[in-house]
Amino acid sequence: KAGVTQTPRYLIKTRGQQVTLSCSPISGHRSVSWYQQTPGQGLQFLFEYFSETQRNKGNFPGRFSGRQFSNSRSEMNVSTLELGDSALYLCASSLTGRMNTEAFFGQGTRLTVV
Amino acid sequence: KQEVTQIPAALSVPEGENLVLNCSFTDSAIYNLQWFRQDPGKGLTSLLLIQSSQREQTSGRLNASLDKSSGRSTLYIAASQPGDSATYLCAVRFFSGGSNYKLTFGKGTLLTVNP
Repeated sequence: KAGVTQTPRYLIKTRGQQVTLSCSPISGHRSVSWYQQTPGQGLQFLFEYFSETQRNKGNFPGRFSGRQFSNSRSEMNVSTLELGDSALYLCASSLTGRMNTEAFFGQGTRLTVV
Repeated sequence: KQEVTQIPAALSVPEGENLVLNCSFTDSAIYNLQWFRQDPGKGLTSLLLIQSSQREQTSGRLNASLDKSSGRSTLYIAASQPGDSATYLCAVRFFSGGSNYKLTFGKGTLLTVNP
């Protein structure tokens, strides 16, 4: 059974550009969450989607957005990139939409903004 | 504020030693707690999930306990091996006056097991 797949694995972008990251959850999983990991802040929650609806959003500026498709695949977009957006972006999927469900993470996308 | 703390930040032990990693959280109203392992530059691997109604979970050489009243969880690793070297992260799903679908993470404990 394939795990959570994130593409691309690595990205280098220039300040001011925008970027789109993709996440394919484990087959059958309907909830997808996104997290940003940096050395200083650790892992911080960005947003969560279930059945194409955003249910939770973290404390990030509006430059960070996401969406989920009918096949549960999700994308997140960051516009007007800043140096501080350099981070490992992790996607997690869960089988159900219940809050006691287990989360499974992908390998992440390493974004470097120069 | 709902926070998760992991102490120590780093731990170095000789191979074969039994060890305990600690996680504390500020609010006892939780849905569950999950322990993860992260290798350098990689994603998170789920180790154990403990629901709020449970006291412990075991998987192989790993045992995790949960004490909601004191806001603590421990991850016990028996007979440590060099391959156990990684960062161990504790994550809590708190009640949050409605729906809360996010995990709140500690900063992790970097474990080094020396041959």
